[in-house]
Amino acid sequence: EIVLTQSPGTLSLSPGERATLSCRASQSVISAYLGWYQQKPGQAPRLLIYGSSNRATGIPDRFSGNGSGTDFTLTINRLEPEDFAVYYCQQYGSSVFTFGPGTKVDIK
Amino acid sequence: EVQLVESGGGLVKPGGSLRLSCAPSGFTFSAYSMNWVRQAPGKGLEWVSCIYPSSSYIFYADSVKGRFTISRDNAKNSLYLEMNSLRGEDTALYYCARGNQGVFDMWGQGTMVTVSS
Repeated sequence: EIVLTQSPGTLSLSPGERATLSCRASQSVISAYLGWYQQKPGQAPRLLIYGSSNRATGIPDRFSGNGSGTDFTLTINRLEPEDFAVYYCQQYGSSVFTFGPGTKVDIK
Repeated sequence: EVQLVESGGGLVKPGGSLRLSCAPSGFTFSAYSMNWVRQAPGKGLEWVSCIYPSSSYIFYADSVKGRFTISRDNAKNSLYLEMNSLRGEDTALYYCARGNQGVFDMWGQGTMVTVSS
């Protein structure tokens, strides 16, 4: 089973700054099956990125994803107040889906 | 409106059973794989099970294999999760999620399952 590790655990930034979140896999991931989610307190997760770099419907272009193999990144340009949340990466392979432990982006 | 609505959660004793349901609307349910994903209080997300559109393929996380059974009724537009031999570590908010290209593109609001004596 592929294990996903996210870093940092917490990222403290100010509105308007750029957030760079990392997701590292224990073995190579199929890029087409790598996604990123945002979750706010008391809410269900929301898909942001699929296929490692494609924005989901309605997701602002300040969110971008890239990467391949074992290293993937979610970048949030110019943080808006509503972007402070927990972000999870997730992969699918060999009939198993796994999530990373999450990165919390909070207000500095 | 496109949505997923879960139901059936509650308080159950260790070793007990519970059946969760998910009612989709606003899309062609029979065309999509469906999943259950859970989140223990204050913890991260854990995928539980996946079922293909025609029920031809079914997968489970090792943590629930042999205890949980996923099923669907496309004619009734419903997804189910039968949970047996429940343990304290199964306590979580259970989400129904639509599968699409290896990710989960739609989520319900979840139904809470608490396993406690």
